Amino acid sequence: QVQLQQWGAGLLKPSETLSLTCAVYRGPFSGYYWSWIRQPPGEGLEWIGEINHSRSTNYNPSLKSRVIISVDTSKNQFSLKLTSVTAADTAVYYCARVSGSTGQPNYMDVWGKGTTVTVSS
Amino acid sequence: QSALTQPPSASGSPGQSVTISCTGTSSDVADSDYVSWYQQHPGKAPKLMIYEVSKRPSGVPDRFSGSKSGNTASLTVSGLQAEDEADYYCCSCAGSNTLKVFGTGTKVTV
Repeated sequence: QVQLQQWGAGLLKPSETLSLTCAVYRGPFSGYYWSWIRQPPGEGLEWIGEINHSRSTNYNPSLKSRVIISVDTSKNQFSLKLTSVTAADTAVYYCARVSGSTGQPNYMDVWGKGTTVTVSS
Repeated sequence: QSALTQPPSASGSPGQSVTISCTGTSSDVADSDYVSWYQQHPGKAPKLMIYEVSKRPSGVPDRFSGSKSGNTASLTVSGLQAEDEADYYCCSCAGSNTLKVFGTGTKVTV
């Protein structure tokens, strides 16, 4: 059973850079996209972006200027960096595997447990 | 890309059915065969319930079904059970399937 384990700093000051990593265990890394999603306290889900093993990326246009998603295929890991954070970036951040039965990756079928990130001065 | 519109809440008694709508635009739901639904219990990660409009992952009860018409997708939960009480989110591909957009979420009370 594929598992995603994520980690990263949980408390940041405004203007700092958020950095999270997600490791993929017990499953293939290539052939999928790997995504980051966040959820502010008491709010809904927001898609941040995704990457595949070939480093092809797609980003949410509203966050694109501040987001970098990267991959380390030697470790089966992918990472999220979000620059210049503010209180509005306070959220639970999830990593997820993106699959597709028709060859187009389109649904998130395996999720990490989430990492709470708080931005406060 | 704006969030897809879902009703904030829905409810039903045990054994009844509830249907949740997910309304988008010609740029997302109406233009995509890729609508998925997620169930989220408090403090937990979301769980995939329906993918590609109407397909059910292994292990998801057949009480859960999905459909789409035009720019509105729907999730129906039949034979409601207490454990179905959760938040539900739709998600659609957009931008020629290079982007994803979630719905605003619906809290289902049983």
